[in-house]
Amino acid sequence: QTVVTQEPSLTVSPGVTVTLTCASSAGAVTGGNFPNWFQQKPGQAPRPLFYRINNEYSWTPARFSGSLLGGKAALTLSNVQPEDEAQYFCLLYHGAQGIFGGGTNLTVL
Amino acid sequence: QVQLVQSGGEVKKPGASVKVACQASGYPFTSYAITWVRQAPGQGPEWMGWIGVYNGNTNYAEKFQGRVSMTTDTSTRTAYMELRALTSDDTAVYYCAKAGQGVYSLDVWGQGTTVTVSS
Repeated sequence: QTVVTQEPSLTVSPGVTVTLTCASSAGAVTGGNFPNWFQQKPGQAPRPLFYRINNEYSWTPARFSGSLLGGKAALTLSNVQPEDEAQYFCLLYHGAQGIFGGGTNLTVL
Repeated sequence: QVQLVQSGGEVKKPGASVKVACQASGYPFTSYAITWVRQAPGQGPEWMGWIGVYNGNTNYAEKFQGRVSMTTDTSTRTAYMELRALTSDDTAVYYCAKAGQGVYSLDVWGQGTTVTVSS
């Protein structure tokens, strides 16, 4: 059973740059895993940010970027703002099966 | 605009089944797959599977094989997810999501349907 792992929590100050990662127990994450990133705030449905590594949606903040980094999928938030405080989830596909990571709780203090 | 509207919350007893509806509007319904995701209280999302609306092909997560059925009704633009033999572990918010560029992206989500399993 493949497990997808994210940092459980990160705390940053406004204005900094932070990178969240998404690793697979099956090995290095590649484009063939079609990495997706989502942001979720309390009481809301997940909001998609990126698909297929770095393809953004029209509503994705320009401060956000997706990439592959050191065998993992990565989500980088530049110039972090207080409104970025949220849970962030990645989704990887292994074959035709999708697996979500456990999520990163990002706190902006 | 593109929208997915889900049916209302449900309370079920252990052993029962639940069928959640997801009505689509604002786009060609048969052109995009629908994926179902659930999220238990305080937990991360869990991918359940998808259905290709055009041909009815399904791909279920191994965990739910034999217990889940995903269907669509193109006349009403509605997707359905039925989960059988419910236990308390199935208590969760269930979401439908529309595929975007290929089945491996989820660009529009429903508002979620709370399913509570309790005796």
